[in-house]
Amino acid sequence: GDSVTQMEGPVTLSEEAFLTINCTYTATGYPSLFWYVQYPGEGLQLLLKATKADDKGSNKGFEATYRKETTSFHLEKGSVQVSDSAVYFCALRMDSNYQLIWGAGTKLIIKP
Amino acid sequence: DTAVSQTPKYLVTQMGNDKSIKCEQNLGHDTMYWYKQDSKKFLKIMFSYNNKELIINETVPNRFSPKSPDKAHLNLHINSLELGDSAVYFCASSQGTVTTYEQYFGPGTRLTVT
Repeated sequence: GDSVTQMEGPVTLSEEAFLTINCTYTATGYPSLFWYVQYPGEGLQLLLKATKADDKGSNKGFEATYRKETTSFHLEKGSVQVSDSAVYFCALRMDSNYQLIWGAGTKLIIKP
Repeated sequence: DTAVSQTPKYLVTQMGNDKSIKCEQNLGHDTMYWYKQDSKKFLKIMFSYNNKELIINETVPNRFSPKSPDKAHLNLHINSLELGDSAVYFCASSQGTVTTYEQYFGPGTRLTVT
């Protein structure tokens, strides 16, 4: 079945470091791909999305490119801040399915 | 204005009790969801309603029963609570079932069963 695999956390970085959180997917068709972020004590919120191959989603300095050839949607940011500390979820959604398929989440800790 | 709201935010109760969590969205969406998030942050879809019709009903104990009185509300009733039900429960909504539409999440209800 369709699935999403994320790198295990926690990922611990110093402020201003470069961030990559890996996400790969398995799907029988052409999904839409999403990154959601969950700040401590809050619900999830959409960070960015891409709906077709080679699309790049971006928001708040984060970027992710939909790579069909490697079935990946890695999240990147050039210079992280302490306020980026959160749990990040990669997800996909197929036309044939109403629901989002979620990755396990990656906890990001940024130290000053 | 709060887009997706849940009540209560915290719920502490004893094993065997029955409790309800309420969810309301003011976004005009027609699809609503219930998720369970465990202590390791793993998210599991439980139910989804589209226009008051149940469209996702994952494998959850039948002690859990959703109710959607109208498109803006989706409540979750839990009978005979067990220790393993302790988790954070999130309500979410989206506009339709189109794949590109994002889901909007409520702030969560932290349920603790003692």
